[in-house]
Amino acid sequence: KAGVTQTPRYLIKTRGQQVTLSCSPISGHRSVSWYQQTPGQGLQFLFEYFSETQRNKGNFPGRFSGRQFSNSRSEMNVSTLELGDSALYLCASRLQDNYGYTFGSGTRLTVV
Amino acid sequence: GIQVEQSPPDLILQEGANSTLRCNFSDSVNNLQWFHQNPWGQLINLFYIPSGTKQNGRLSATTVATERYSLLYISSSQTTDSGVYFCAVERRGRINKFYFGSGTKLNVKP
Repeated sequence: KAGVTQTPRYLIKTRGQQVTLSCSPISGHRSVSWYQQTPGQGLQFLFEYFSETQRNKGNFPGRFSGRQFSNSRSEMNVSTLELGDSALYLCASRLQDNYGYTFGSGTRLTVV
Repeated sequence: GIQVEQSPPDLILQEGANSTLRCNFSDSVNNLQWFHQNPWGQLINLFYIPSGTKQNGRLSATTVATERYSLLYISSSQTTDSGVYFCAVERRGRINKFYFGSGTKLNVKP
């Protein structure tokens, strides 16, 4: 059974650009969550989707957005990139509520 | 939100030693997981343990939900155990959002 797949693994972008990250959950998992990890702030919740609906959102500016498709794959988008957006972005999926999460390998974004 | 505190923040062990990592949380939870972050950044799930005790090889974990803490035991540590261990909780009544502790950085020396 394939795990959670995130693409790309590494990304370098320039300030002001936008970026789209992709996450394919484990087959059958309908819940997908996104997290940002930085040395200063640790692991912080971005948003969670279930059956194409955003059910929960963290305290991030509107430049951070996401969506989920009918096949449960999810994308997150960051517009007008800032240097502070440099981070490891992790995606997690689970079958349904009250189950454990499985994380992907992450996308390491560097903004220069 | 919910506060998640992990201790110790750093731990250095000789290979073969045992260790206990602690996670305290400030509110009732319906999900608690322990993760090991590998050098490439992936969070590897060790235990899904909202309550009770589980064992997996040299690792075991105990969560006492009524007292709001969880413990991760590593026995006969190996150099491959090195890395950062995170505790994450999902607050009861506020699901679908994980709160992470700041982690315990473990260094096992040969």
